Amino acid sequence: DAMVIQNPRYQVTQFGKPVTLSCSQTLNHNVMYWYQQKSSQAPKLLFHYYDKDFNNEADTPDNFQSRRPNTSFCFLDIRSPGLGDAAMYLCATSRDLARGSGSADTQYFGPGTRLTVL
Amino acid sequence: AQKITQTQPGMFVQEKEAVTLDCTYDTSDPSYGLFWYKQPSSGEMIFLIYQGSYDQQNATEGRYSLNFQKARKSANLVISASQLGDSAMYFCAMREGWDSGAGSYQLTFGKGTKLSVIP
Repeated sequence: DAMVIQNPRYQVTQFGKPVTLSCSQTLNHNVMYWYQQKSSQAPKLLFHYYDKDFNNEADTPDNFQSRRPNTSFCFLDIRSPGLGDAAMYLCATSRDLARGSGSADTQYFGPGTRLTVL
Repeated sequence: AQKITQTQPGMFVQEKEAVTLDCTYDTSDPSYGLFWYKQPSSGEMIFLIYQGSYDQQNATEGRYSLNFQKARKSANLVISASQLGDSAMYFCAMREGWDSGAGSYQLTFGKGTKLSVIP
């Protein structure tokens, strides 16, 4: 089955120690997203890739970086995690439908990585 | 003003009964898409149903249907014959401007409704 995969599902890191979360997809979608979701809150978009074009949200801290080496994979790097970065990190993908196609592009999410910062 | 409003922080429903989760939205863009997602305690965000602003019919997907009232800017999710496995957070979300070329890829989410199904 085509899907969005995130590894690991649970990640524990120490304060200030860099961490990388990974996302892969078999849907062949050209748009990939990273969201941060803190407890009891809605997901918040950090950035997205349209193919290889990186698009950062204005309020995403510099501490968060991303890489997309190919269509299938996307990585989230947290350079110096703080206690406030403990959250669920969700990866999503979508097609980019042509204008006038009659439908917005549905985003399909992976299972998430729950990050704990000690 | 909030773009997506979900006024019910929590809802209870008896197993096998139907339940309606409310969602109102605010946009001036004529082209937008409305989405409902389910998030169980495991954390995965599961896509349920989509309604486009130009769609004439209300969307349906199995036990899920969307009561789309464009003039009132509401897009309520109806779950028929509730099951214990329906207990989860439900998020309403919107993407604006997909047809104008000027739209954002961002999904704007509501704060969610926690649904609990009682046996």
